[in-house]
This record gives sequence, C-alpha cells and structure tokens, in this order.
Amino acid sequence: SQTIHQWPATLVQPVGSPLSLECTVEGTSNPNLYWYRQAAGRGLQLLFYSVGIGQISSEVPQNLSASRPQDRQFILSSKKLLLSDSGFYLCAWSPNRGTEAFFGQGTRLTVV
Amino acid sequence: AQRVTQPEKLLSVFKGAPVELKCNYSYSGSPELFWYVQYSRQRLQLLLRHISRESIKGFTADLNKGETSFHLKKPFAQEEDSAMYYCAPPGSGYALNFGKGTSLLVTP
Repeated sequence: SQTIHQWPATLVQPVGSPLSLECTVEGTSNPNLYWYRQAAGRGLQLLFYSVGIGQISSEVPQNLSASRPQDRQFILSSKKLLLSDSGFYLCAWSPNRGTEAFFGQGTRLTVV
Repeated sequence: AQRVTQPEKLLSVFKGAPVELKCNYSYSGSPELFWYVQYSRQRLQLLLRHISRESIKGFTADLNKGETSFHLKKPFAQEEDSAMYYCAPPGSGYALNFGKGTSLLVTP
C-alpha cells in the first residue's frame, strides 16, 4: 500500500535561517506531488506541485522553493525564513490528474 | 482557472440539527469534485467524491450544475463531525486547489 511520510513534525527556526522540509512517498511510482500551507483563516493554499522529477510548478510567488530530486521525494526549501513563513505545511500526492489526494501528517513551522 | 468558494469560515450547529456546508465552483465542463475533512490531530483525508454518489458518515454531496454548487449535507449532526471541511475541484491542469475551508462545530 502507498504511504506518505513528511518530516519533521514540528520545527522552530529563527528568522533568516534556511529551511528544508522533506516528503517521501512509498508504494507508487510517478506520483503527482504537492506542497500546501494551511494558515488560520486562509485555508489550504497550494504552493507547489510536481508531475515528474525536476518538474516544479509554483502557484504562489514567495520566499519558498521546491525541488523533486527523485521520483518519490519532494522538498520544500527556503534560503532565509521570514516571520510570515510560519504555518502548517502539508505534503500530498495523487496518482493521476484530477484524482484523490493523500496527505502527510504535516509540519508545524514557527519562525521566531 | 477552476476555483471553489466556501463562503462560511465557521459553522456552528447543535447536535442533531441538520448541517449544510456550502461550496460553489467555477469550472467549464464536467467537474469532478471532492470533499475533504480534517479532524483534530488527524491527517486531512478524503470524505467523499461526487462521482461515486456515496454517503460517508451520513454525509452526502450533490453536484448541482445549474447552481454550480457541491454542498455537503448531513441530516443530523453529531459531535464527532466537528472538523475542518474543504471542498476541492479538479483544478487547472494538475493543480489541486482547495477552498478556504469551513470549520464545523457541533455543540451538545
């Protein structure tokens, strides 16, 4: 069966520090991968998605970037965190276009 | 781009009362819509999809093309239904864009 792992679960980082959140999927190949940010009052915001290795689409211009170095690995990064980057970040995968998405447990990021 | 609108950020109902969480979409063609739910301290997960016409945990959602709506309904709300609910369209291309979500609170 397919599983999705996301880590770390919580992270406290100072302003200006770098960020790397990792997400891996097991039990499937060539998944569509997604990064979302969930903020109170703003719902679930799609940040990036990827349909294949090295292919990244950005939905919202911001201080973050994403990479997909391997088929089932999706990384969310920042060179210098801002206070406004605080939030709950979710990784998800889906098997095909327009189908159900499966979510990771999420990472609570607090930038101080 | 395809979008969904969930007009209510918070919906509070009493246990046993009917509940309807609204979702309107803008999409040309035949959309395939989903409802996702996030219970406290749990992963966001699929609740139901319109194409399967199923009832999950007493919830149903009917696609109304005339009103471009996909409202989620349950005739008798339970306290365990308290959660965050998201409506999702298929999105443009491969993007999966969710609505802003509605927080449902069922009080005894």
